[in-house]
Amino acid sequence: DAGITQSPRYKITETGRQVTLMCHQTWSHSYMFWYRQDLGHGLRLIYYSAAADITDKGEVPDGYVVSRSKTENFPLTLESATRSQTSVYFCASGGPHSYEQYFGPGTRLTVT
Amino acid sequence: QQQVKQSPQSLIVQKGGISIINCAYENTAFDYFPWYQQFPGKGPALLIAIRPDVSEKKEGRFTISFNKSAKQFSLHIMDSQPGDSATYFCAASTTSGTYKYIFGTGTRLKVLA
Repeated sequence: DAGITQSPRYKITETGRQVTLMCHQTWSHSYMFWYRQDLGHGLRLIYYSAAADITDKGEVPDGYVVSRSKTENFPLTLESATRSQTSVYFCASGGPHSYEQYFGPGTRLTVT
Repeated sequence: QQQVKQSPQSLIVQKGGISIINCAYENTAFDYFPWYQQFPGKGPALLIAIRPDVSEKKEGRFTISFNKSAKQFSLHIMDSQPGDSATYFCAASTTSGTYKYIFGTGTRLKVLA
């Protein structure tokens, strides 16, 4: 089925470890986004990408790295996880012909 | 100037009542205002969106009212149902440029049966 998927859905990792969250979309949307959702903060943009090999920082990029070698994939890497990165992470995609963003099911990440 | 302020933080409404959630923005360059609905354990889903060339948009029981001069917009849920119990997020974006959204902090709605 077409859509946007995220993996893993749940992840527990230790402080200092590297972890990569995967995002895959089948709509050929040009834009992809990574958000984190925390109570009291809503959804905050971490990084976004306008196309393959074009990425830019959002509101809260520190501690995160992204890449986009293919249009359909947009992985998010925490190079050295910290407890403050415990959150629910959502990937979204959209554009270029409409302004809507379509969200994946989320990854719940716990850093111990 | 990039913030979108959303209120209330939580809302309890009786079945059949009207739920009203408000958002305010500062950046006059914003010209696309979507509302998202999120159920527990799920990703946000687009509910309804409005551009500033209209003052109101209605889709079923959901209506967005938009006041450009006050830089405010609101979501009205008519005849609220227990199935509407969810978290609602407003957002703002510019249609020229990066398609980035600025989200409000969310409103947790509970509709009592």
